[in-house]
Amino acid sequence: GAGVSQSPRYKVAKRGQDVALRCDPISGHVSLFWYQQALGQGPEFLTYFQNEAQLDKSGLPSDRFFAERPEGSVSTLKIQRTQQEDSAVYLCASSADRVPSYEQYFGPGTRLTVT
Amino acid sequence: AQSVTQPDIHITVSEGASLELRCNYSYGATPYLFWYVQSPGQGLQLLLKYFSGDTLVQGIKGFEAEFKRSQSSFNLRKPSVHWSDAAEYFCAVGGTSYGKLTFGQGTILTVHP
Repeated sequence: GAGVSQSPRYKVAKRGQDVALRCDPISGHVSLFWYQQALGQGPEFLTYFQNEAQLDKSGLPSDRFFAERPEGSVSTLKIQRTQQEDSAVYLCASSADRVPSYEQYFGPGTRLTVT
Repeated sequence: AQSVTQPDIHITVSEGASLELRCNYSYGATPYLFWYVQSPGQGLQLLLKYFSGDTLVQGIKGFEAEFKRSQSSFNLRKPSVHWSDAAEYFCAVGGTSYGKLTFGQGTILTVHP
């Protein structure tokens, strides 16, 4: 594929369920970012990977959020025991740059609704 | 800490009219500045970026932006808006060593025919 893809595009979860959101970056891109975009807000940084190493997870809102990129390509963002405040669009971005990775290409996002 | 303010939540213009979207940033050093556009159901698309050099930068789709250090601003402009420009626009600043972006709240642009 030519761009960043994310799946599922839409996810509805009951409060308390665990969810897993997938990001397929552009092939060969070293850097990968996750952002959370609440309704009516701009995206907010969650976490950053350089290859398989998670170098910054300072934006993860709680220990219920966990991200991984075990082989340095596909990444998964997992949210345990979902809460209503987790409802948002989760955006993934990748970049061919190491540092700084300013040329970021964004996926379409996964819209998570927690009921 | 770095931050971005977009004072206008919603702007409406007529097709063919000029456009200016405002962006103010707060950052201790020379910032890296960006404008992105987001159409419904789409990811963010980079319109233009400023790293250094000429303070007037040209982007895609006929957009330009001017960096004014004295005003801590990076306003986006387009001389003649097309209906297809209707979308939400985000200003962002990058300041960490690896490229984390801090976004503004966004400005929704509506274009009347």
